[in-house]
Amino acid sequence: GENVEQHPSTLSVQEGDSAVIKCTYSDSASNYFPWYKQELGKGPQLIIDIRSNVGEKKDQRIAVTLNKTAKHFSLHITETQPEDSAVYFCAASKDSGGSQGNLIFGKGTKLSVKP
Amino acid sequence: DGGITQSPKYLFRKEGQNVTLSCEQNLNHDAMYWYRQDPGQGLRLIYYSQIVNDFQKGDIAEGYSVSREKKESFPLTVTSAQKNPTAFYLCASSWQGRTEAFFGQGTRLTVV
Repeated sequence: GENVEQHPSTLSVQEGDSAVIKCTYSDSASNYFPWYKQELGKGPQLIIDIRSNVGEKKDQRIAVTLNKTAKHFSLHITETQPEDSAVYFCAASKDSGGSQGNLIFGKGTKLSVKP
Repeated sequence: DGGITQSPKYLFRKEGQNVTLSCEQNLNHDAMYWYRQDPGQGLRLIYYSQIVNDFQKGDIAEGYSVSREKKESFPLTVTSAQKNPTAFYLCASSWQGRTEAFFGQGTRLTVV
């Protein structure tokens, strides 16, 4: 089955710097890769996702890149702010023409942005 | 407001007791999921249901049971057979055939 590895487990940056979180997956059939942000005591919130037919997607200060050949994808946050501090999870799954797969999650990265 | 509602937010249970966690959604989603979250472990799938009256075991189903009698509701029962039930439980839902999942705010269960 699918296995998702996420690094680093903790990341500390200064406000205004960039943060990068990386994930690798094992199943080459996976084609959907979301990123979730989880604040303390709350449920994860979908912040950006990418499908295997594109290599990069951007939404304001966050972007995700996908390398299908190497089977890894990354989350990039630019101009970090203290409110970006949270735990970030990557995930992978297979969507196959109406038959959805289940999300397999990485173990999370705790991002701390220092003012 | 549309969304996923989990209740209660905090739950305490004595060893040997069954307890049921509630999950309701008004997003008209077909699929619903239950995940367990432990520190440093990420999210692990307990059960999922893609349509009413049907559900499937996830990776860690032992000691848990579910029902899906209504599209809007997917309650999870943590039975006395679950050896280590203290955890943060998350419910999620999505449209049939789409993997974008939306999560509730979670229930923190503590066995005392």
